[in-house]
Amino acid sequence: AQSVSQHNHHVILSEAASLELGCNYSYGGTVNLFWYVQYPGQHLQLLLKYFSGDPLVKGIKGFEAEFIKSKFSFNLRKPSVQWSDTAEYFCAVENTGFQKLVFGTGTRLLVSP
Amino acid sequence: DAGVIQSPRHEVTEMGQEVTLRCKPISGHNSLFWYRQTMMRGLELLIYFNNNVPIDDSGMPEDRFSAKMPNASFSTLKIQPSEPRDSAVYFCASSPDRRSSGEQFFGPGTRLTVL
Repeated sequence: AQSVSQHNHHVILSEAASLELGCNYSYGGTVNLFWYVQYPGQHLQLLLKYFSGDPLVKGIKGFEAEFIKSKFSFNLRKPSVQWSDTAEYFCAVENTGFQKLVFGTGTRLLVSP
Repeated sequence: DAGVIQSPRHEVTEMGQEVTLRCKPISGHNSLFWYRQTMMRGLELLIYFNNNVPIDDSGMPEDRFSAKMPNASFSTLKIQPSEPRDSAVYFCASSPDRRSSGEQFFGPGTRLTVL
């Protein structure tokens, strides 16, 4: 069965620190990849997505992610975090054509001012 | 656009009672998804519909759970009878893209507490 692993369950950073959240998936076929963010008390919002083309994807609020097919990874990065980035981040994978997302367990990010 | 609308936002009920959660997807979206979020299990897909037809209900935990989509603008998730372990936040999401369901738009969720 397809699965998504987010190895960091909790991350604490100071403002201006760099961020990298890991995401690995298990599936050998063609996939679409996503990062969603859930701010405290709010619903999930799409941060960025990868369907095809340039494996380095840029999203909103200065986030980016890189798809490395050989490593089955889609790590999320931001060079300098802000207090407002405090949220839970979810990686998600879709087998193309199956119309169904599988989410990772999420990573809670706390940015201290 | 009002986005995905869910009601109620909060529901507190007693064990054994019937619970009905409601969702109105974004107009024009073809697919609708019901998720459950808990601390222990994270975000789980329960069921999804495409063009009002249930496509995959393999995530529905047991027969106490049922979902319907009578038309393109309304869906319900029903739990009967409810149990304390059903306490969770239930999200509805919709998607416009037939090519991929991935770009899903989530509602604000219903926080269910079963006492």
